[in-house]
Amino acid sequence: EAQVTQNPRYLITVTGKKLTVTCSQNMNHEYMSWYRQDPGLGLRQIYYSMNVEVTDKGDVPEGYKVSRKEKRNFPLILESPSPNQTSLYFCASSSPVAGEQETQYFGPGTRLLVL
Amino acid sequence: AQSVTQLDSQVPVFEEAPVELRCNYSSSVSVYLFWYVQYPNQGLQLLLKYLSGSTLVESINGFEAEFNKSQTSFHLRKPSVHISDTAEYFCAVLYNQGGKLIFGQGTELSVKP
Repeated sequence: EAQVTQNPRYLITVTGKKLTVTCSQNMNHEYMSWYRQDPGLGLRQIYYSMNVEVTDKGDVPEGYKVSRKEKRNFPLILESPSPNQTSLYFCASSSPVAGEQETQYFGPGTRLLVL
Repeated sequence: AQSVTQLDSQVPVFEEAPVELRCNYSSSVSVYLFWYVQYPNQGLQLLLKYLSGSTLVESINGFEAEFNKSQTSFHLRKPSVHISDTAEYFCAVLYNQGGKLIFGQGTELSVKP
């Protein structure tokens, strides 16, 4: 089954404790992105990647890091989480195939609470 | 600046009533338009999209949206809603192929019996 998976789905942590949220897709997609969803703000892009070893900042990259060492994986790293990073996070990927590259497929989301 | 505006944050309707969820975007020469739906405690699913061709696009569950270039709008409509349509709906715009996908703030559709 074609899908984007994220782990963990739920996470409670404390300020300053490094964490990683994993994202993996099995569709051989080149493009991958991370978003955060906050009430009244919709989804805002954190980072995106056009291909392996190619990443760039989105709208709200502060406090986050990413890496793209393999095509299928795009982990999101919070080196020193703070309470304002409490949010719902989504990973997404899209195909490079002409006519399909505009459509992004989303993972199930990771709900993060930073105390 | 590129932006997407969903004019209503919450839309309560009764079952079997028609509904329209509004979406406007900042003008651009080339845009691709999407509606995503998020059911409670789930991720986002693509509902429908406009890439080119006919300005009226339809989903498999009875929703439709019309791309109006002159009004820079992509409103979502359904002539008769069901309880199961209760969800949050996000309009999104891709400015140029390969560019950034920008989301609206979301509209909560609540269908009452």
